[in-house]
Amino acid sequence: EVQLVESGGALVQPGGSLRLSCAASGFTFSGYWMHWVRQAPGKGLVWVSRINSDGSSITYADSVKGRFTVSRDNAKNTLYLQMNSLTLEDTAVYYCARDFSHTASDSWGQGTLVTVSS
Amino acid sequence: QSALTQPRSVSGSPGQSVTISCTGTSSDVGAYNYVSWYQQHPGKAPELMIYEVSKRPSGVTDRFSGSKSVNTASLTISGLQAADEADYYCCSYAGSQLLIFGGGTKLTVL
Repeated sequence: EVQLVESGGALVQPGGSLRLSCAASGFTFSGYWMHWVRQAPGKGLVWVSRINSDGSSITYADSVKGRFTVSRDNAKNTLYLQMNSLTLEDTAVYYCARDFSHTASDSWGQGTLVTVSS
Repeated sequence: QSALTQPRSVSGSPGQSVTISCTGTSSDVGAYNYVSWYQQHPGKAPELMIYEVSKRPSGVTDRFSGSKSVNTASLTISGLQAADEADYYCCSYAGSQLLIFGGGTKLTVL
């Protein structure tokens, strides 16, 4: 069974940093692209980033480019999202998701909540 | 990277069919046959219902179908059931390895 478990969400002050993790199991993690998607409280889904299977190609939404960094450790079956210079607008549940056909996601984690507040 | 446009809400009675639209531009929805649809129940993670405009992942009922015309994609749910009540999001490839979601549509089963 495919499982994705996010962790690392917390309350952080504006301007602060946080690193999220996504532990994958039940599939060959190293063979899949992965995505990060976020959802502000009561709002819609917003795509954040995607990374290819070996980490050599990464794309970001304009809203996080230059502040967020995605990486992966295929030996540990883990995806990461390093978030710097956080603003109030970054408050959201962050989901990691397994890529499907390079343009969709067929398995999602339960999400981890990041709250940016002073 | 503006969000795709979806109606905020739609409704239908059990057994009826409803269609949710998703309007983009010639740079995203209109340019690629890479539109996907997700169902999200309150407090839950999204679930993939349709990919590549009209394909259904294994395990998704054929009551869900997708289509596209020019810059607008559509999700049709036939034989509405109470369990279909949820939020629905479209998502399109927008070139340069970018994806963009719609604002979401709340489906109410009357």
